[in-house]
Amino acid sequence: DGGITQSPKYLFRKEGQNVTLSCEQNLNHDAMYWYRQDPGQGLRLIYYSQIVNDFQKGDIAEGYSVSREKKESFPLTVTSAQKNPTAFYLCASSMRRQSENTEAFFGQGTRLTVV
Amino acid sequence: GQSLEQPSEVTAVEGAIVQINCTYQTSGFYGLSWYQQHDGGAPTFLSYNALDGLEETGRFSSFLSRSDSYGYLLLQELQMKDSASYFCASTDSWGKLQFGAGTQVVVTP
Repeated sequence: DGGITQSPKYLFRKEGQNVTLSCEQNLNHDAMYWYRQDPGQGLRLIYYSQIVNDFQKGDIAEGYSVSREKKESFPLTVTSAQKNPTAFYLCASSMRRQSENTEAFFGQGTRLTVV
Repeated sequence: GQSLEQPSEVTAVEGAIVQINCTYQTSGFYGLSWYQQHDGGAPTFLSYNALDGLEETGRFSSFLSRSDSYGYLLLQELQMKDSASYFCASTDSWGKLQFGAGTQVVVTP
């Protein structure tokens, strides 16, 4: 089955600690994205990547870092510099070329809570 | 900056038609897509418009006017299961996929 997998589903972190959220896809998609969603809010773009070893900041990149060493994987690290990290994090992937249908497929999300 | 504007909430009865409007300001705009998200779930793709005009997919249709920087999602023959949040999202020339704040659709019996 092709799809996009995020883990863990729930994550608890102590203040001051870094934590890494996993995102893996086997859809052979070039593009991958990370979004943050707060209760009752829309999806805000954190980082995105169009190709291996390259990524771009989104609208709220401060306090976050990513890597794209493999096509299939796009992990997100929430650092201690992120002042309000408690949120629902969604990873997505899509085909790269804009001339095609750019349907994005989402993982089931990770709920991060700072305790 | 880049932004997408859509109404926060729409309420309608079963069987009705609902139109969700979306206006956007996106540098290098390439296309507009729509997603549905039920509470606690992941967004799922509904439709995509790169060219002006109407795209129909079953009970859902989407429209785009590039000259007006405007699009809409039309939900016909509303069902209770259509109660969800609906997001418009723009794609730019560099592949950035950016979402609006979402419209909560409430379907009543």
